Amino acid sequence: KQEVTQIPAALSVPEGENLVLNCSFTDSAIYNLQWFRQDPGKGLTSLLLIQSSQREQTSGRLNASLDKSSGRSTLYIAASQPGDSATYLCAVNTGGFKTIFGAGTRLFVKA
Amino acid sequence: DTEVTQTPKHLVMGMTNKKSLKCEQHMGHRAMYWYKQKAKKPPELMFVYSYEKLSINESVPSRFSPECPNSSLLNLHLHALQPEDSALYLCASSLAGALDNEQFFGPGTRLTVL
Repeated sequence: KQEVTQIPAALSVPEGENLVLNCSFTDSAIYNLQWFRQDPGKGLTSLLLIQSSQREQTSGRLNASLDKSSGRSTLYIAASQPGDSATYLCAVNTGGFKTIFGAGTRLFVKA
Repeated sequence: DTEVTQTPKHLVMGMTNKKSLKCEQHMGHRAMYWYKQKAKKPPELMFVYSYEKLSINESVPSRFSPECPNSSLLNLHLHALQPEDSALYLCASSLAGALDNEQFFGPGTRLTVL
């Protein structure tokens, strides 16, 4: 059974710092991995999608990597800003529309 | 249009009420999803429709009844709910049948069952 774990559960950093969020999964047989951002009480915003054949994807200050063989993905945020404060969720697609989410990392960026 | 809309934003209902949640997208996506999210927990998949047919039902109680009347609309009919069903209900959509089926989420409906 696929399990997705995110470390750390919470993170507080000063503005301007570069940071890395981690996501690990137990079964490497995935179709893709998607990173989301969620603000309190709101829906999920898609940040990046990495297909199983890809190693990384970039969008602006965000870079996501995928190492299927080791069951790990990282989300790198450069030059963090207070507006980046949110919960970041990773989700793996195991095929047939099934998506398993990690519990998320709550990020707080201090001004 | 890259938006998924959900109505209502908030819903308060008694345990004997019947209500419906609505989700709409105009991105041409043929897969639509319902998720349930409790506070400080990740979303949990409830149902998936692919080409208007129910593809996945994650053993959801029958008091939740999904409906996909056309490729743009997804409803969730609620009846005889319990207080523990109070949660944020999220709708999502994606291209169906594609390996890179990036999911796009709506803002959610905050449901409170009294």
